[in-house]
Amino acid sequence: DIVMTQSPDSLAVSLGERATINCKSSQSVLNSPNKKNYLAWYQQKPGQPPKLLIYWASTRESGVPDRFSGSGSGTDFTLTIGSLQAEDVAVYYCQQYYGTPLTFGGGTKVEIK
Amino acid sequence: QVQLVQSGAEVKKPGASVRVSCKTSGYSFTSSDINWVRQATGQGLEWLGWMNPNSGNTGYPRKFQGRVTMTRNTSINTAYLELSSLTSEDTAVYYCARGTRNNNDRYFIRYWFDPWGQGTLVTVSS
Repeated sequence: DIVMTQSPDSLAVSLGERATINCKSSQSVLNSPNKKNYLAWYQQKPGQPPKLLIYWASTRESGVPDRFSGSGSGTDFTLTIGSLQAEDVAVYYCQQYYGTPLTFGGGTKVEIK
Repeated sequence: QVQLVQSGAEVKKPGASVRVSCKTSGYSFTSSDINWVRQATGQGLEWLGWMNPNSGNTGYPRKFQGRVTMTRNTSINTAYLELSSLTSEDTAVYYCARGTRNNNDRYFIRYWFDPWGQGTLVTVSS
């Protein structure tokens, strides 16, 4: 199984400041033939299901604000919230879809400092 | 718009089975897989497997094989999850989620989940 490890477990960021979340996979999720990284990011607010933010490691889902960006390749990935807004308080998860079972990181809780 | 609406909360005794439904709308039910993911209170996300509504084919992680069954009724665009031999460790919110295969990987389970149902709380307690 591909193990996904997120860091930190939680972080507190001031409004308007940058938040950075890391996700590391136990093996590469880069598919050489198409050069795509099989990595997605989700946002989950309390009492709600997860919401897709980013897929292919860096492609923003339609309607997602451009302050959210994804980067990385192979085994190391980052989700960046460029300027934290109050509505961004949530838990963020990464997910690999390169191999089965499909697996998620443990989550990173983002709060306002 | 695409919607997945799940059935209501369930309370079950240890050893029993539970069935959760997921009614879809806003897209062609047979064009995408339905997956199930669960989340224990305050915990992370765990994938229970996939079902192709067109063929009825399914796939489950080793951990759940023999205990999970995914089925569908195409006449009402609804998918079902059945989990048997329940224990307290199965207490969780269960989500259905659509997974759409891209053309290059249509023979593989390689997709993200979008959208998700609202979740169904299953509580296992004596």
